[in-house]
Amino acid sequence: KAGVTQTPRYLIKTRGQQVTLSCSPISGHRSVSWYQQTPGQGLQFLFEYFSETQRNKGNFPGRFSGRQFSNSRSEMNVSTLELGDSALYLCASRMGQGETEAFFGQGTRLTVV
Amino acid sequence: AQSVTQPDIHITVSEGASLELRCNYSYGATPYLFWYVQSPGQGLQLLLKYFSGDTLVQGIKGFEAEFKRSQSSFNLRKPSVHWSDAAEYFCAVGPYNNNDMRFGAGTRLTVKP
Repeated sequence: KAGVTQTPRYLIKTRGQQVTLSCSPISGHRSVSWYQQTPGQGLQFLFEYFSETQRNKGNFPGRFSGRQFSNSRSEMNVSTLELGDSALYLCASRMGQGETEAFFGQGTRLTVV
Repeated sequence: AQSVTQPDIHITVSEGASLELRCNYSYGATPYLFWYVQSPGQGLQLLLKYFSGDTLVQGIKGFEAEFKRSQSSFNLRKPSVHWSDAAEYFCAVGPYNNNDMRFGAGTRLTVKP
């Protein structure tokens, strides 16, 4: 069974631009969570989607948004990029909502210049 | 508030030596606990998890962890470290609050030949 797939793996953007990252969860998994990882702040929860609905959101500005499609694939979008948005963005896949283990993708490394 | 503390930012051990990585948590109920490992530029790989039952859990790659409720700890151990174990290790608790998993700051492991 294929794992969690995140695309692209690397991305370089300019301040003020917007970016869209994609995550395909493990087949049959319906919950997708997004995390931002930076050296200074560590791993921080962005949001979680289940059955195309955002179930929970972390403490990030409205520039960070996401969505989930009927096939459980998810995208996150960051608008008006800032230098501080440079990070590794990780997607985690779970079979269902609730207290189950999460499987992570390899991440998308976003660099804002 | 729920939190995870990994007291050691960086640990260096010799190849073949034993390893113990510390993790303390603050959580209102019996937590779900995880250890993940991350190689440079990669995503997180689940090493092991504790949900309930036997407090000594076995994971992949020869790792084990022991849940101690009285000490609010979930320390990761390995009897003999291999050079390939060099990576960053994250302890996590949750999910809670609708699937928000809380991570520790991580412990970077260096293995000396």
